[in-house]
Amino acid sequence: DQQVKQNSPSLSVQEGRISILNCDYTNSMFDYFLWYKKYPAEGPTFLISISSIKDKNEDGRFTVFLNKSAKHLSLHIVPSQPGDSAVYFCAASEGSGAGSYQLTFGKGTKLSVIP
Amino acid sequence: DSGVTQTPKHLITATGQRVTLRCSPRSGDLSVYWYQQSLDQGLQFLIQYYNGEERAKGNILERFSAQQFPDLHSELNLSSLELGDSALYFCASSVATGVGGYTFGSGTRLTVV
Repeated sequence: DQQVKQNSPSLSVQEGRISILNCDYTNSMFDYFLWYKKYPAEGPTFLISISSIKDKNEDGRFTVFLNKSAKHLSLHIVPSQPGDSAVYFCAASEGSGAGSYQLTFGKGTKLSVIP
Repeated sequence: DSGVTQTPKHLITATGQRVTLRCSPRSGDLSVYWYQQSLDQGLQFLIQYYNGEERAKGNILERFSAQQFPDLHSELNLSSLELGDSALYFCASSVATGVGGYTFGSGTRLTVV
């Protein structure tokens, strides 16, 4: 049973345009969400996170939106750059403090930004 | 370089064998987490250690075991290997428990033939 779903295995976007990556979750206990970016032959690197008390968090070109009622989050990248081409993983956990430990990941979406 | 070191980077072994994957956490980090990424799968949580003690277990098979040593490095032992154990194994570390500060290593690619 997949608790975090990224239904688009891949996405292609023109340079300068907006990239929107989507993620759905089923576990109502999840209250902390993260996006990781992964280049080939490297480990995932943290990109941005959001707590369930917020519906939006912004960091430079990256914005994460959370719709708790729909159990849906999305990552917007504006403007997209060729260096953004990577696999993006959505992850979720029950809490983010000392008691939390486990991230549940989606399968990832491969983003290709075309120059 | 994330500061989390995993060795070896690649490992090819036969079914039935046993292997040990090693992880050195970032300096100052007390928690170590192990994740498995199989083909077309997201990362699956295996186990967490904090300052030498097991803190949490996920979907870890009984054939797999781990430990964290006094110098805080960790080893993941995989035994009686099967073809389906072929995967990327990632280690992550953080200062304390809690998912907010994960730093991942670059992984060990295990191929069982």
